[in-house]
Amino acid sequence: GQNIDQPTEMTATEGAIVQINCTYQTSGFNGLFWYQQHAGEAPTFLSYNVLDGLEEKGRFSSFLSRSKGYSYLLLKELQMKDSASYLCAVRDRDAGNNRKLIWGLGTSLAVNP
Amino acid sequence: GAVVSQHPSRVICKSGTSVKIECRSLDFQATTMFWYRQFPKQSLMLMATSNEGSKATYEQGVEKDKFLINHASLTLSTLTVTSAHPEDSSFYICSAHTGGGYGYTFGSGTRLTVV
Repeated sequence: GQNIDQPTEMTATEGAIVQINCTYQTSGFNGLFWYQQHAGEAPTFLSYNVLDGLEEKGRFSSFLSRSKGYSYLLLKELQMKDSASYLCAVRDRDAGNNRKLIWGLGTSLAVNP
Repeated sequence: GAVVSQHPSRVICKSGTSVKIECRSLDFQATTMFWYRQFPKQSLMLMATSNEGSKATYEQGVEKDKFLINHASLTLSTLTVTSAHPEDSSFYICSAHTGGGYGYTFGSGTRLTVV
């Protein structure tokens, strides 16, 4: 079956570093995405990994290990505005060859002063 | 960059009526559109995948006669919630596949409240 696991909630302090983990078990794999979603808004793209290793993008970095079915999102120098839900998604293909995303349940991050 | 315009952003309707939600791709052709529903504090739930010019593929448990999807052109896909009931109240989001590695662009979402 298809399964993506990530912690439900995390709390961190402003200025600190936080790592959000994601493990996945999917029938296929064609890339892993991280999205940020503030309440009442649509998700916004953060990162994409298709090969093993670390992708760095400013304060955000994402890591992938395909052999372990594991990824993490690293947020540095946390700001209050980083309080949001972080969604891990794996791209798979359905029977119609559509490149659909399989979503985790999201990690709600609260950044405290 | 690629933009998907979704309307309306908020709608309140009476129970039993139908509501249409539109998603338009601006400056690109969306051959595939994904329709999601999201309940408060939950993740995105894929309802259906639509390809231009063909019938939508619905996920298990989603009633195709209740959630009508039309993708008649490469720039417009619509979701119609028919005979809406209070339990249909949710946040509906569309996402277009634009190709390439990053290839998903989300609409801004529609907050539907059925009273």
